[in-house]
Amino acid sequence: DTAVSQTPKYLVTQMGNDKSIKCEQNLGHDTMYWYKQDSKKFLKIMFSYNNKELIINETVPNRFSPKSPDKAHLNLHINSLELGDSAVYFCASSRRAGAGDTQYFGPGTRLTVL
Amino acid sequence: GDSVTQMEGPVTLSEEAFLTINCTYTATGYPSLFWYVQYPGEGLQLLLKATKADDKGSNKGFEATYRKETTSFHLEKGSVQVSDSAVYFCALGQSGNTPLVFGKGTRLSVIA
Repeated sequence: DTAVSQTPKYLVTQMGNDKSIKCEQNLGHDTMYWYKQDSKKFLKIMFSYNNKELIINETVPNRFSPKSPDKAHLNLHINSLELGDSAVYFCASSRRAGAGDTQYFGPGTRLTVL
Repeated sequence: GDSVTQMEGPVTLSEEAFLTINCTYTATGYPSLFWYVQYPGEGLQLLLKATKADDKGSNKGFEATYRKETTSFHLEKGSVQVSDSAVYFCALGQSGNTPLVFGKGTRLSVIA
């Protein structure tokens, strides 16, 4: 069974479009995250939710909006896509909030904006 | 704020060579330290961790020791294999609602 899954795996779209990436975890964890990895592999936290509540919101354009319908899901919606949004987006989860806990990552969604 | 510095890659080694990837950190308090590995086309996965000073994390032949006196958590493996080719990330985590702080990653290529 996949612990943290993301869909889609690849997403190619035009500038200006709106798109969503979905994430689900079946580990029973309380906390979920979205990360952005650029072409140089640099990993940056975007958001974190604990029990459906936003607890970390780094400096991210407000075109990015996370939504957590329940503890097991954290979706990322992106409005008005720009070229600079091209990256790999990773979802992750941990048993509880607090970066001392091990995080489990999904396989990533490679977003390409043309 | 907290930060992690790891050696820049890429690192290219022959099979069975000894591996060291350096990682140093700056942090307040007593963070947990992690090594994550990212194989090609996959997400990150935990390789090993240490939660307090002098702890040694180990997994799959990799080891790292939490050295508070030198603020380091260097990753070592005695004999690398081609299957170890990946990007390795050192990371630091504090308690509370703070994000993991990652280093920039070190790409390792092992050639037969």
